[in-house]
Amino acid sequence: KQEVTQIPAALSVPEGENLVLNCSFTDSAIYNLQWFRQDPGKGLTSLLLIQSSQREQTSGRLNASLDKSSGRSTLYIAASQPGDSATYLCAVITQGGSEKLVFGKGMKLTVNP
Amino acid sequence: EPEVTQTPSHQVTQMGQEVILRCVPISNHLYFYWYRQILGQKVEFLVSFYNNEISEKSEIFDDQFSVERPDGSNFTLKIRSTKLEDSAMYFCASSDLFSGANVLTFGAGSRLTVL
Repeated sequence: KQEVTQIPAALSVPEGENLVLNCSFTDSAIYNLQWFRQDPGKGLTSLLLIQSSQREQTSGRLNASLDKSSGRSTLYIAASQPGDSATYLCAVITQGGSEKLVFGKGMKLTVNP
Repeated sequence: EPEVTQTPSHQVTQMGQEVILRCVPISNHLYFYWYRQILGQKVEFLVSFYNNEISEKSEIFDDQFSVERPDGSNFTLKIRSTKLEDSAMYFCASSDLFSGANVLTFGAGSRLTVL
C-alpha cells in the first residue's frame, strides 16, 4: 500500500530564503507525482506535475525533482515571499490502473516578512 | 481561468440526515472525482467517475455514499445517513484526461459538520 510522507510538518522562515520541501513515497512504481498548494479554508491548487519518466519540472520560482528509484521528490522554492505561506502537499498515482491520488499530510510553510 | 465550483461551502447537519454536496466541474472535462479531508488528516480519495459510471472507489465509499451526474453540468455526492465521522472537507475535482496524464482541478471544498 502506497504511503506518502512529508517531513517536517511545518517550517517557518524569513523572507528571501531558498527552500527545499521533501516528499517520500514507499512504492516507487508511480505513474506521476504532483505538488499542490492549499491555502487555509481553500481548495487544492496544482503547482507541478512530474510524470514518472521525467526528472524535474519548473514553473517560475518553483522547481520539483523526482528520484523514482529512491522514492523521493523535492520542491524547491527560490527567494521565498510571504505570499508563499500555505500548506504544500505532495501526491502520487501508483501504477497498476488506479486513478487515485495518494496524498502526504502536507507541510505548512510560513514565510515571515 | 476555468474553475470547479462547489456548493454549499459549509453545511451543518444532524447525525442520520441525508446530505447532498454539489459540484460543477469544468465544462469540457470528462473525469470527475471526490476526495475528503478530515481536519488535521490527509486528503483521501473517495471515488472517480467517468462515462456516467463509477470507475474506482475507496473502502471509505460504502453503501452510505453515492454519486450522480444528473445533467450535463452537475456532479453530486450524496451521503444517505450521516455519521459524526463524516465531518470533513469534501473536495470535488475534474480532469480532461485520466488523472495520471493530466492535472486535476480541485474545487474550494464543501465543509460538512455533523452534529
